[in-house]
Amino acid sequence: GQQLNQSPQSMFIQEGEDVSMNCTSSSIFNTWLWYKQDPGEGPVLLIALYKAGELTSNGRLTAQFGITRKDSFLNISASIPSDVGIYFCAGPPYNNNDMRFGAGTRLTVKP
Amino acid sequence: KAGVTQTPRYLIKTRGQQVTLSCSPISGHRSVSWYQQTPGQGLQFLFEYFSETQRNKGNFPGRFSGRQFSNSRSEMNVSTLELGDSALYLCASSLAGLGGANVLTFGAGSRLTVL
Repeated sequence: GQQLNQSPQSMFIQEGEDVSMNCTSSSIFNTWLWYKQDPGEGPVLLIALYKAGELTSNGRLTAQFGITRKDSFLNISASIPSDVGIYFCAGPPYNNNDMRFGAGTRLTVKP
Repeated sequence: KAGVTQTPRYLIKTRGQQVTLSCSPISGHRSVSWYQQTPGQGLQFLFEYFSETQRNKGNFPGRFSGRQFSNSRSEMNVSTLELGDSALYLCASSLAGLGGANVLTFGAGSRLTVL
């Protein structure tokens, strides 16, 4: 099925800077999930969003479920070197039983 | 509690061979789904099993198949391997499936190289 449009593809930032990435879709979603994947490992769930407009935080991470239900964003504040990795958005489209993924945002943090 | 366990972690096969990958879900999780991850195509959904039945299927050829056992462990098989099948194969488990509030927990993956 149609994958999610995730941007940016990659980011090179300085330690301490804030980061923002987003995902959009032409389909409506009931759930938005944000995962982080380290090299050689499977994705690990960071934040799950279940309601349009919902804003949820997990430490320095904040994610929002867009009001149109077709988009979501993830912010990382005060980045640190261990934030390095690939961040994916994902979710099952409304009335659909498969899982769609963004292409990922590769984050590099320079000390 | 133990996470999702995938075996083997790494394997090398040659074109034309077949391969079987195994996934043990988190205890109590009845849904197991499989994904192929490649640099060019990203993460793509292969199929989902629930209570030993394939419930959903992605857009992959019939060479890709799977099954689930009564203890929820799952295997996927790829027959007549092609070079393009080289990828990281991830499985994920959840309590009840892919939709709604069901959250996926991924294994570390099985990295397949086809020569």
